[in-house]
Amino acid sequence: AQSVAQPEDQVNVAEGNPLTVKCTYSVSGNPYLFWYVQYPNRGLQFLLKYITGDNLVKGSYGFEAEFNKSQTSFHLKKPSALVSDSALYFCAVSGNTGGFKTIFGAGTRLFVKA
Amino acid sequence: DAMVIQNPRYQVTQFGKPVTLSCSQTLNHNVMYWYQQKSSQAPKLLFHYYDKDFNNEADTPDNFQSRRPNTSFCFLDIRSPGLGDAAMYLCATSPMTGGYEQYFGPGTRLTVT
Repeated sequence: AQSVAQPEDQVNVAEGNPLTVKCTYSVSGNPYLFWYVQYPNRGLQFLLKYITGDNLVKGSYGFEAEFNKSQTSFHLKKPSALVSDSALYFCAVSGNTGGFKTIFGAGTRLFVKA
Repeated sequence: DAMVIQNPRYQVTQFGKPVTLSCSQTLNHNVMYWYQQKSSQAPKLLFHYYDKDFNNEADTPDNFQSRRPNTSFCFLDIRSPGLGDAAMYLCATSPMTGGYEQYFGPGTRLTVT
């Protein structure tokens, strides 16, 4: 069965500092991995995905994520956090044989302090 | 701009009174999804369509129904809303290629009184 874990309910970081939001996954076969962001009272917004190829994936708003197959992780990173990055972040996984169903993590709330 | 649109953004209904939420998309994606999200929790998949092929999650209550009359539109019907159905309802679409990343609408927040 597919699953995804986000071990931190909340991450606090000062503006200008690097940020990392952690995600680990379990899936049969090769995973499709995603990060989404959700601002208050809005739908989720797609940030980036990993399907195959380079382990470092770049996405929207300066975010990137690193796929690590041996650690089954897909951590979200940004070199310099902005206050406007404060939001709820969801990691998600689907298997390449699992069709269209995507499993979402529980979410991590990122708080960036000015 | 291509997008996913949900109407209304806020819906108030009475206990037991049927309600319909709507979703439309200009992305021309084959796959459409309905999710329920409570209190900033992970979205919970209710159904998804591949074209008109309907897929119901095993734990989706019978109280929830869906229709997709064409590629662009999808509806969520709640036949007899209970207080526990108060939530944000999210519609999403995905393309058939490239890993099925999903594009979400802004959501409809349902209140049951």
